[in-house]
Amino acid sequence: DQQVKQNSPSLSVQEGRISILNCDYTNSMFDYFLWYKKYPAEGPTFLISISSIKDKNEDGRFTVFLNKSAKHLSLHIVPSQPGDSAVYFCAASVGEKLTFGTGTRLTIIP
Amino acid sequence: DTGVSQDPRHKITKRGQNVTFRCDPISEHNRLYWYRQTLGQGPEFLTYFQNEAQLEKSRLLSDRFSAERPKGSFSTLEIQRTEQGDSAMYLCASSRQNSEQYFGPGTRLTVT
Repeated sequence: DQQVKQNSPSLSVQEGRISILNCDYTNSMFDYFLWYKKYPAEGPTFLISISSIKDKNEDGRFTVFLNKSAKHLSLHIVPSQPGDSAVYFCAASVGEKLTFGTGTRLTIIP
Repeated sequence: DTGVSQDPRHKITKRGQNVTFRCDPISEHNRLYWYRQTLGQGPEFLTYFQNEAQLEKSRLLSDRFSAERPKGSFSTLEIQRTEQGDSAMYLCASSRQNSEQYFGPGTRLTVT
């Protein structure tokens, strides 16, 4: 029972363009959503989060959008940079437990 | 800035052996979490502590697994009688109350 889904295993984007990563969830009890970035041989690094009472949160080049009616979350990165190449996980929580998606590998093409 | 540290980074063991991993959280964080990640999957929650109290355990945490956090500081995760299916990356995270979880680099376990 995959409660958090990232349906695109990979995404390639030209440097300088916008990267859009998507995430869908099924559990309407989730009240907090996060994006993590992971490089090989490292643990996930927290990027940005959003509470279920908001629909947008912005931090520099990163913006997270939440559409509760559609149970959909997206991460926008603009402009995309080569250092953004990594695996991105979305995660959702109710209480302390994080439930992760399977990740999307983002490759930024110079 | 000292992040979450985990030791060892890699462990190779034979089936049936016991292994123990250690996690040192960020010092001011009172919450500590263990996750397991297998190839192609996201991290899966195993258990979490608030200070020294273990407050939630996943059904993934069979009776061969035990976690402790004595004195509410570092934590250990022990796997007894390891099986090949235990091969995974074991991740530790810590957080303040109502705050984001920060992950360590993980311990990669290979059971042969």
